[in-house]
Amino acid sequence: EPEVTQTPSHQVTQMGQEVILRCVPISNHLYFYWYRQILGQKVEFLVSFYNNEISEKSEIFDDQFSVERPDGSNFTLKIRSTKLEDSAMYFCASSEYQNQPQHFGDGTRLSIL
Amino acid sequence: AQKITQTQPGMFVQEKEAVTLDCTYDTSDPSYGLFWYKQPSSGEMIFLIYQGSYDQQNATEGRYSLNFQKARKSANLVISASQLGDSAMYFCAMRDSNDYKLSFGAGTTVTVRA
Repeated sequence: EPEVTQTPSHQVTQMGQEVILRCVPISNHLYFYWYRQILGQKVEFLVSFYNNEISEKSEIFDDQFSVERPDGSNFTLKIRSTKLEDSAMYFCASSEYQNQPQHFGDGTRLSIL
Repeated sequence: AQKITQTQPGMFVQEKEAVTLDCTYDTSDPSYGLFWYKQPSSGEMIFLIYQGSYDQQNATEGRYSLNFQKARKSANLVISASQLGDSAMYFCAMRDSNDYKLSFGAGTTVTVRA
């Protein structure tokens, strides 16, 4: 069964550094998403991406964050200058259409030191 | 604004028994989708089941079924014949028709006892 893949599984970064989280969505899916889950808390929406542009973003997704689809398969989340509070599990998800279930990757655990 | 409420932080269930996980939601949009996800201790998010607001039948997917009561705005997940591998956190989520995002509840931890 096709799946969303995320790399790396764990990223440790110094505060203030830039980090790029990578995702390969399911190949025939058109809608892409990033969520995060701070340890022990609920899953929070960050951003959705469709047709090469951001379709929706949350208050969390400020100027420090950006997303890109650099080629036909990858979807990346960049955090420009990481803060301690950015430590969380980051999930990429994709769906074939807007109203279809979103399928999640296994997540990248980001630890900011 | 959307709101998802899961009132049970944790539940224990005996192996082979059924368990019901509560989820209530609040939205003013007549068209919406409801989703349940499973998160094992390893951390991944696994899609389980989907219910559309206009679906006439309750959704079922193997041992998972969704008890959808639209007037009460509830979408409870029923897991039948529980297995040890069902031990995990379960999240209820909703998406309104005009939204791209899923809004998640706080989750319910299920522990299956042998």
